[in-house]
Amino acid sequence: GNSVTQMEGPVTLSEEAFLTINCTYTATGYPSLFWYVQYPGEGLQLLLKATKADDKGSNKGFEATYRKETTSFHLEKGSVQVSDSAVYFCALSDRGEGGNTPLVFGKGTRLSVIA
Amino acid sequence: EAQVTQNPRYLITVTGKKLTVTCSQNMNHEYMSWYRQDPGLGLRQIYYSMNVEVTDKGDVPEGYKVSRKEKRNFPLILESPSPNQTSLYFCASSLSPVFAEAFFGQGTRLTVV
Repeated sequence: GNSVTQMEGPVTLSEEAFLTINCTYTATGYPSLFWYVQYPGEGLQLLLKATKADDKGSNKGFEATYRKETTSFHLEKGSVQVSDSAVYFCALSDRGEGGNTPLVFGKGTRLSVIA
Repeated sequence: EAQVTQNPRYLITVTGKKLTVTCSQNMNHEYMSWYRQDPGLGLRQIYYSMNVEVTDKGDVPEGYKVSRKEKRNFPLILESPSPNQTSLYFCASSLSPVFAEAFFGQGTRLTVV
């Protein structure tokens, strides 16, 4: 079945540091890949996505490239800010039986950025 | 404003007392689903609905029911809550069941004592 594995947290960085959160996936078809972010006390919101191999998703300074050969979708940001402190979820969507494409989530990585 | 609204945000209840968590979306989305979020387990899908009157089980449906009588509403029903259903619950909706962005509600933190 489909699954997503992302690096364990928590991750603590100083402001302006470089961020990488690793994400690898297993899928039976040709999935779309997503990063969702959850700020404290809020629901998840889409950060970026990529729908096919070699696509790069980007938003708010974050980037991730869909690497089919390594089944990876690592999240990166060149210079983090305190406001980036949140929990980040890698997810995939693939067509399953009957058309259901439940978003399959990784377990989440908590990022804390200190000034 | 496009949004998914869940109520209540917080709920403490006792074992066995039936409860309903409401979910409403204003984006005319066909696909809606419920997830629970637990520490160390991430988000797991409980139930989903492809359209009005079409619902099906997700990965962890035991102890839950849903209904989809109108496109905008997708309530989650716990007929006889138990302590192992203490969790953070999220409703989500999307335009299409395939590859579309999911919009999430703000969550309902449920405690069953």
